[in-house]
Amino acid sequence: AIRMTQSPSSLSASTGDRVTITCRASQAISSYLAWYQQKPGKAPTFLIYAASTLQSGVPSRFSGSGSGTDFTLTIDCLQSEDFATYYCQQYYSYPLTFGGGTKVEIK
Amino acid sequence: EVQLVESGGGLVQPGGSLRLSCAASGFTFSRSWMSWVRQAPGKELEWVANIKRDGSDKYYVESVKGRFTISRDNSKNSLYLQMNSLEAEDTAVYYCARDKREGGAGPFDYWGQGALVTVSS
Repeated sequence: AIRMTQSPSSLSASTGDRVTITCRASQAISSYLAWYQQKPGKAPTFLIYAASTLQSGVPSRFSGSGSGTDFTLTIDCLQSEDFATYYCQQYYSYPLTFGGGTKVEIK
Repeated sequence: EVQLVESGGGLVQPGGSLRLSCAASGFTFSRSWMSWVRQAPGKELEWVANIKRDGSDKYYVESVKGRFTISRDNSKNSLYLQMNSLEAEDTAVYYCARDKREGGAGPFDYWGQGALVTVSS
């Protein structure tokens, strides 16, 4: 199975900050990488697919980049509603696997 | 509006069985691959299984092979997960999710609210 490793596991930031989360795949996955946001007690919501394509309705302050094994999710000008846990997921091959998550907390 | 509503969760003893259901609406269910994804308390997301549009292809994570069965009824716009020989490690919130791509294998663009399954004596 392809292992997805996110870093950091948590971070503290302030409203207005720029935040970057990294995700590394244990083998090359081309651009078959998605990002999700999850708030406590809620289902995940879909943010980005194909490593850098924003899902319809997702604010443009979210962006993704990368290919192969190294990927990033960037949130420009962090808003209060962005404090949540973020997961990457590879869909290059079965079993589909997620990263361990990055919790973005208020500083 | 796409809606996915899970039901059937609950408390079950180790070795027992449970069947989860997911009622879909707001899209053409028969044209979508569907998945189950779970999340143990305080843990990361784990994909469990998915099923092709017509039910002819199914994929599972290794840890549930031989114990869980994914199925669907397109006439009822419903997805199911039959879980047998349940173990404590199966305790999780189980989400029904729609695979975005026509060929399946994720990613997941819509999710249900989740159903809690607790395996404990």
